[in-house]
Amino acid sequence: GESVGLHLPTLSVQEGDNSIINCAYSNSASDYFIWYKQESGKGPQFIIDIRSNMDKRQGQRVTVLLNKTVKHLSLQIAATQPGDSAVYFCAENQAGTALIFGKGTTLSVSS
Amino acid sequence: GAGVSQSPSNKVTEKGKDVELRCDPISGHTALYWYRQSLGQGLEFLIYFQGNSAPDKSGLPSDRFSAERTGGSVSTLTIQRTQQEDSAVYLCASSLIPGAAGYTFGSGTRLTVV
Repeated sequence: GESVGLHLPTLSVQEGDNSIINCAYSNSASDYFIWYKQESGKGPQFIIDIRSNMDKRQGQRVTVLLNKTVKHLSLQIAATQPGDSAVYFCAENQAGTALIFGKGTTLSVSS
Repeated sequence: GAGVSQSPSNKVTEKGKDVELRCDPISGHTALYWYRQSLGQGLEFLIYFQGNSAPDKSGLPSDRFSAERTGGSVSTLTIQRTQQEDSAVYLCASSLIPGAAGYTFGSGTRLTVV
């Protein structure tokens, strides 16, 4: 089975709110994690990544948090915009092998 | 090229026919990956090529699926004797460093088996 999963398949927020998308992973040996955004009809697009020696990393309007104790990963999007509407996937990597993806969370932003 | 190019973008085929899907990775990217995405699902790993090393075929669902990468560049995913359950979007990605950040995905080939 998959080693990476997401807590909720859908998330609906209002424009301007902060969004939090969660992901749980099962392999404690995973040392690299990535969040991807996929818009309809397109391939996944890299958002932000984090290595296991960190617990937080910030980008532009996005923050990834990693809790290795409970094997939990989250993506926070500040001031969510309609253009953020998409499916978000977390993925894990083990020692240079191919990324393993979770099922995804669909984020819907209403204005 | 500037991005990962996949062709065709859409393919409709009859059950039992063979299909070939093509992926042109970003020039210089040594690692190439194939994934399958069924409707509303996540990405299922199929196969991974890294340079001249033997590919990691651990994700191929059956012996009807095969892939090759010629000259360390273009890759072709072949599905023989297609079945309806093969219907999905087939995504290709490449990266400069295996397993690292910077996987760049193509837009995929939507395969429909009727």
